[in-house]
Amino acid sequence: AQSVAQPEDQVNVAEGNPLTVKCTYSVSGNPYLFWYVQYPNRGLQFLLKYITGDNLVKGSYGFEAEFNKSQTSFHLKKPSALVSDSALYFCAVRVLYNFNKFYFGSGTKLNVKP
Amino acid sequence: EAGVAQSPRYKIIEKRQSVAFWCNPISGHATLYWYQQILGQGPKLLIQFQNNGVVDDSQLPKDRFSAERLKGVDSTLKIQPAKLEDSAVYLCASSPRQGLAKNIQYFGAGTRLSVL
Repeated sequence: AQSVAQPEDQVNVAEGNPLTVKCTYSVSGNPYLFWYVQYPNRGLQFLLKYITGDNLVKGSYGFEAEFNKSQTSFHLKKPSALVSDSALYFCAVRVLYNFNKFYFGSGTKLNVKP
Repeated sequence: EAGVAQSPRYKIIEKRQSVAFWCNPISGHATLYWYQQILGQGPKLLIQFQNNGVVDDSQLPKDRFSAERLKGVDSTLKIQPAKLEDSAVYLCASSPRQGLAKNIQYFGAGTRLSVL
């Protein structure tokens, strides 16, 4: 069965410090990988994606993510957190052989404190 | 460019009643998705359309849920009759079939359903 795991329900970080939000996946084949962010009462917004190529991908708002095939991970990172980064973050994978279906993790709430 | 529009934003009904949600995707987007997001969980795909055809509805509870996209543009999702466990946010998303953004889903704000 396909699955996406976000092992931390919540991540707390001080403003200005680096942040990491973890994601691991278990799917067949070579999936496409995504990060989305959700602010309260809003839909999900695309942050970045990995399709192929360089393992480090850069996205919106200074976020980046590192793809690690051997560890089947796709952790989201930012060198310096902002209070405005506080939101709910979802990792997602797209499984190409199964109707190109998307599977989402359960989400990680990021709290950035001033 | 206008985003994905959904209505209503909120809906409160009693169990066994019926309810319908509407979605208008971004103009030109061939693929439309309906997701169910239960509080504390990630979105779960209910149904995926490519133009007006169903690509995947394997996780749609077909005894009570139905969806259509008759003209390949806007879509409606219906629940009849509703159960308490249907309380969730229903998200609609769309994506283009081609181009650099073809793997990106653009989400609406969602409809929050409360079943009492």
